[in-house]
Amino acid sequence: QVQLVESGGGVVQPGKSLRLSCAASGFTFSNYGIHWVRQAPGKGLEWVAGISYDGRKEFYADSVRGRFTISRDNSNNTLYLQMNSLRPEDTAVYYCAKDRLATPGGNNWFDPWGQGTLVTVSS
Amino acid sequence: DIQMAQSPSSLSASVGDRVTITCRASQSISSYLNWYQQKPGKAPKLLIHAASDLRSGVPSRFSGSGSGTHFTLTISSLQPEDFATYYCQQSDTALMYTFGQGTKLEIK
Repeated sequence: QVQLVESGGGVVQPGKSLRLSCAASGFTFSNYGIHWVRQAPGKGLEWVAGISYDGRKEFYADSVRGRFTISRDNSNNTLYLQMNSLRPEDTAVYYCAKDRLATPGGNNWFDPWGQGTLVTVSS
Repeated sequence: DIQMAQSPSSLSASVGDRVTITCRASQSISSYLNWYQQKPGKAPKLLIHAASDLRSGVPSRFSGSGSGTHFTLTISSLQPEDFATYYCQQSDTALMYTFGQGTKLEIK
């Protein structure tokens, strides 16, 4: 079955960096776009970034553009999120989620999602 | 940016009740509206896509309707496993996939 497993979360000081990973299995990873979505403690869902099947197109929410970088390694079925200049407001559970399309676009949905990894930005 | 507003933000209901959750978009999004269910400590799960298409494996007591700016998620007869938080999400605007603030469905 399709499975996504995030890792790399932890406690980090403001201004520092962290890299998250998402290991995919159960589907042809290189055929689909894939996304990061986050959820601050006790809050709702916020789309963070998405990437096309081949890694050539990257898309970001305004709140992270210029600080976060999404990338993928299709040879290892792994998605990444490099997070730089972290702020306390970046504290959240970060989920990876599979796109239904090869390149993110309109009329889209996320299915399935991984179990998430918690990032805490605090001094 | 397209804003999504869900109502109510919380709802108490009993097993067997019929429940409706509303989601409104700040501008027309055609039928590009999805619904997710999230249980505490778990990842969201897709229930309905494109406003009214039930994801395979989701019980038929869940249904969605609407187009343009007004959408609804209906659970025809609440079961104990349905108590969770529900989110709508628009996908009209490519690459700015905004979610509603969520509706927490609790047991009365």
